[in-house]
Amino acid sequence: DAGVTQSPTHLIKTRGQHVTLRCSPISGHKSVSWYQQVLGQGPQFIFQYYEKEERGRGNFPDRFSARQFPNYSSELNVNALLLGDSALYLCASSLSNTHVTNYGYTFGSGTRLTVV
Amino acid sequence: GQQVMQIPQYQHVQEGEDFTTYCNSSTTLSNIQWYKQRPGGHPVFLIQLVKSGEVKKQKRLTFQFGEAKKNSSLHITATQTTDVGTYFCAGNDYKLSFGAGTTVTVRA
Repeated sequence: DAGVTQSPTHLIKTRGQHVTLRCSPISGHKSVSWYQQVLGQGPQFIFQYYEKEERGRGNFPDRFSARQFPNYSSELNVNALLLGDSALYLCASSLSNTHVTNYGYTFGSGTRLTVV
Repeated sequence: GQQVMQIPQYQHVQEGEDFTTYCNSSTTLSNIQWYKQRPGGHPVFLIQLVKSGEVKKQKRLTFQFGEAKKNSSLHITATQTTDVGTYFCAGNDYKLSFGAGTTVTVRA
């Protein structure tokens, strides 16, 4: 079975541009979450989707949006990019959306976004 | 909101020695998860602790959840070069609230 796949792996964008990041969860996983990891810090929660509905949103501006498709894959969109948006963007999938799960979250390898 | 703090930030260990990393939360946690991230990699799930006072072992790794469910620890015995990486604890309440991590380097 393939793990969580993310694309692209690396991306360079200019300030003010828009970016779309993609994630395919593990087969059978219905929950997808997005995290931002700045160098030297722990991942910060951005969104969680379950069954195509937003179930949680972190403390990020409205420039960040996401959606989940019927096949449970997901997109993260960021508008009006700022230099501070440069980070590793991680997608994580899990079997359940409830907080008690013995399975943990499976992370993808991430998309490294550089804003210049 | 939930804040999770980890100490130490860096741990330099002689190969074969033991060390412990600690995790403290500002609020009571429903459960806590631990992840390991190798340099240049992504977080990989290690374990979840749910019950007050719970202790779980994975080979040389011992995880504990405090009685008040506000702190946790990871103890590694006989450190090996394969233990290099950053260890994160994360409070889990539908979203993960990560600490800043403990970055471990090993001297051979």
